[in-house]
Amino acid sequence: QQPVQSPQAVILREGEDAVINCSSSKALYSVHWYRQKHGEAPVFLMILLKGGEQKGHDKISASFNEKKQQSSLYLTASQLSYSGTYFCGGQSNSGGSNYKLTFGKGTLLTVNP
Amino acid sequence: EAQVTQNPRYLITVTGKKLTVTCSQNMNHEYMSWYRQDPGLGLRQIYYSMNVEVTDKGDVPEGYKVSRKEKRNFPLILESPSPNQTSLYFCASSPTGTSGRVDEQFFGPGTRLTVL
Repeated sequence: QQPVQSPQAVILREGEDAVINCSSSKALYSVHWYRQKHGEAPVFLMILLKGGEQKGHDKISASFNEKKQQSSLYLTASQLSYSGTYFCGGQSNSGGSNYKLTFGKGTLLTVNP
Repeated sequence: EAQVTQNPRYLITVTGKKLTVTCSQNMNHEYMSWYRQDPGLGLRQIYYSMNVEVTDKGDVPEGYKVSRKEKRNFPLILESPSPNQTSLYFCASSPTGTSGRVDEQFFGPGTRLTVL
């Protein structure tokens, strides 16, 4: 099952904040966030692991609630360059396929001047 | 330059004609993966490989084959393509981190496949 992302789409004005949520029905070992601009390949933003370890870009922040299997990506003081589709992906460490990554359907973020 | 390359970038073919999409990375990454992207469905993993000669199914493996004979290459094979395999395909590579986690993935530019 794919993680469920919300909202599906959001429109902001430059400088506004946004939160994108990701919820999994499976226990996750790690949560991955990527951004994809139109016509381009996805680009890494952040990884969050069980136990609180994080790796990612300095200007991006995110959280991972292990009890609820929910992650949130926080975009503050948005810039035009933040526009794109955001994907969360989950790596599960159960069921034998320990290296499988399952992504959500994406959240389209549009930042207007 | 560190990169993942895919070939071809665009391909139009007919039902049943076998094809191979190549993927190569020059970062000495252990983990490689194939995804397909369709409107409204996000990225769906087809197959992944943890290292040479070790592959496993992702969420949508039906109709696809892969092989990992060398660390740098991970070709995607469609033995008998069908129209429902028309999609945008991405290859990605990643170093595997401690405790077997999949680390940051580097994606190739994508291959747009149309099966008539």
